[in-house]
This record gives sequence, structure tokens and C-alpha cells, in this order.
Amino acid sequence: QKEVEQDPGPLSVPEGAIVSLNCTYSNSAFQYFMWYRQYSRKGPELLMYTYSSGNKEDGRFTAQVDKSSKYISLFIRDSQPSDSATYLCANTNAGKSTFGDGTTLTVKP
Amino acid sequence: NAGVTQTPKFQVLKTGQSMTLQCAQDMNHNSMYWYRQDPGMGLRLIYYSASEGTTDKGEVPNGYNVSRLNKREFSLRLESAAPSQTSVYFCASSEAPGGNIQYFGAGTRLSVL
Repeated sequence: QKEVEQDPGPLSVPEGAIVSLNCTYSNSAFQYFMWYRQYSRKGPELLMYTYSSGNKEDGRFTAQVDKSSKYISLFIRDSQPSDSATYLCANTNAGKSTFGDGTTLTVKP
Repeated sequence: NAGVTQTPKFQVLKTGQSMTLQCAQDMNHNSMYWYRQDPGMGLRLIYYSASEGTTDKGEVPNGYNVSRLNKREFSLRLESAAPSQTSVYFCASSEAPGGNIQYFGAGTRLSVL
């Protein structure tokens, strides 16, 4: 079993939709939960992260961690065509990150 | 604001050839990483360097070697390239030794024929 499992997608939504991207993890030692965004033919860039459980909001993006169920979510409100990218969840313990396989999102105008 | 710079951007090798992928960061970060990304398989850690002078194996180190030349530079060497090493390679860095937030380069697309 992989340490981080990510809903594979791909996901295609109309502009303005609410998007939910999800991951599960198996290692209880993980403390930091990251979301990276990767545009086509570019390197990943950190979108946001949370430490331990709870929610974190940044503009249209909300990251949610439920440690009891080992579930991580990223919500995108009012999705825009510019949000079209691959989203990678990652869990980090002692500086070593484990990445999900990524979910490719397309937002259609 | 260069961040993490990787060279070359593209490379085609024949089986058995060797090459070195270069990575440099200008953020004074302590830790540096090499990943490979294959379709549908996410990012897999090849090697990392927690601080200058140290290197450690990651998840998929076989067929690769690394050198942490100084604090800025971390190179990845393929001694005898194989078709299975066709991939996109990313270098990343983080501030603290074993830091949690990583900054990535634009990647090197490598094809081994």
C-alpha cells in the first residue's frame, strides 16, 4: 500500500464550480500536509499547507486535514480556467516528503 | 529571482551513455533533493542532501549517483543510462535541514533510447 493515495482523476468542471481534491495517507507520523500545483511542463509549486489537523483557508482555496480518518482535502471555490493544472498532495515527516500521484484538473470556460 | 535552476532542460541519450544533471539554488537553502516524475506515478525521491557534505538515498536510488558540490549545487549523475531512466527529473531545495516546504526547478526531460 502506498503511503499517500490520491484520487486519480482526471477531473473536468465548468468555470465557477466548486472542486474537491482528495488524498488518504497511512503514516500516522505525518505532521505537515502540503498541496502543490503543477502546470503543464513546469515544476510543482507549493499552494498551501497545514500542520496537524484542521482547516486552512487562502482566498478561494481551503485545505482540510482529518487525522482521525487520515484524509486530506483541497477545496477550490469559484474555479477558474487558470486553476487548470495537476494538484499533488504531499505529506512530510522529518523533512522527507511523500507525494500522491496527482489529480489533473481542467476548468472549462 | 532565479530560485532553483536546472540544466539542461532536455536531453536525449543512447543506452549506456552517461550524463550529469545540474542543479543550483540561490536561496541559501540547506537541503536539496532529486526526484523523478513518471506518468501516473507522482514524484519519487532519488537522493537528497540534508545539508552540505551529506547525501542519502531516497526511494529509487539505483542507477544514480549524486554530488553536493557546495551549498548551492547538487548534481545527479547517470553512469550508464537505461531506457527505464526515461523520465522528468526535478531538483528541489528547502530552507532548513529536512525542511518541509520545498521549492522546485522547472525540470529536465530525459529520454534514453
